[in-house]
Amino acid sequence: SQQGEEDPQALSIQEGENATMNCSYKTSINNLQWYRQNSGRGLVHLILIRSNEREKHSGRLRVTLDTSKKSSSLLITASRAADTASYFCATASNRDDKIIFGKGTRLHILP
Amino acid sequence: DVKVTQSSRYLVKRTGEKVFLECVQDMDHENMFWYRQDPGLGLRLIYFSYDVKMKEKGDIPEGYSVSREKKERFSLILESASTNQTSMYLCASSLTPGLAFSYNEQFFGPGTRLTVL
Repeated sequence: SQQGEEDPQALSIQEGENATMNCSYKTSINNLQWYRQNSGRGLVHLILIRSNEREKHSGRLRVTLDTSKKSSSLLITASRAADTASYFCATASNRDDKIIFGKGTRLHILP
Repeated sequence: DVKVTQSSRYLVKRTGEKVFLECVQDMDHENMFWYRQDPGLGLRLIYFSYDVKMKEKGDIPEGYSVSREKKERFSLILESASTNQTSMYLCASSLTPGLAFSYNEQFFGPGTRLTVL
């Protein structure tokens, strides 16, 4: 049961540039989370934004949430080679403890 | 830091074999999850458990079973492995929302890449 859809599917940018990824979802949520996955590894939680929040920052990460449009964006500023990874959004409902992941955006930082 | 460990990083099995994938977490989390990840399909939930001896089917439970005899351990069982179960298997755990500071963010193990020949 797909909930979040990331856009674009893949993104290549030069080191130092900003990277923006978007996530759209379909039903009401309790919170939305972003995760990173390095190649062949497990996912790592990056940031969580609650449904009553509009923007959140963590280091070089900035997340926005627009519940009226059912969308979120993840901005990575001043990208580094180490940011090369897949990024997933995941939505949590009020009904249970599950979260539903999108298919991810593959980000490649060019040297 | 929460640590979620999985018994194997890589596993090769033959069609028809019974396969056990083990997952252990050390943070006393109530919830544990098993996903499989395939190219183009993202993460799909196989089973989850919100307490010892409790289990719930996820989106793709067919061909799998699970066991949770202790809070820290959640096992995924492939009763008779088939080639279409070749995949990356990811285990995760989380606290129950509403307890302390939890908003059900999940903590993942490193994954087990299973190949069924």
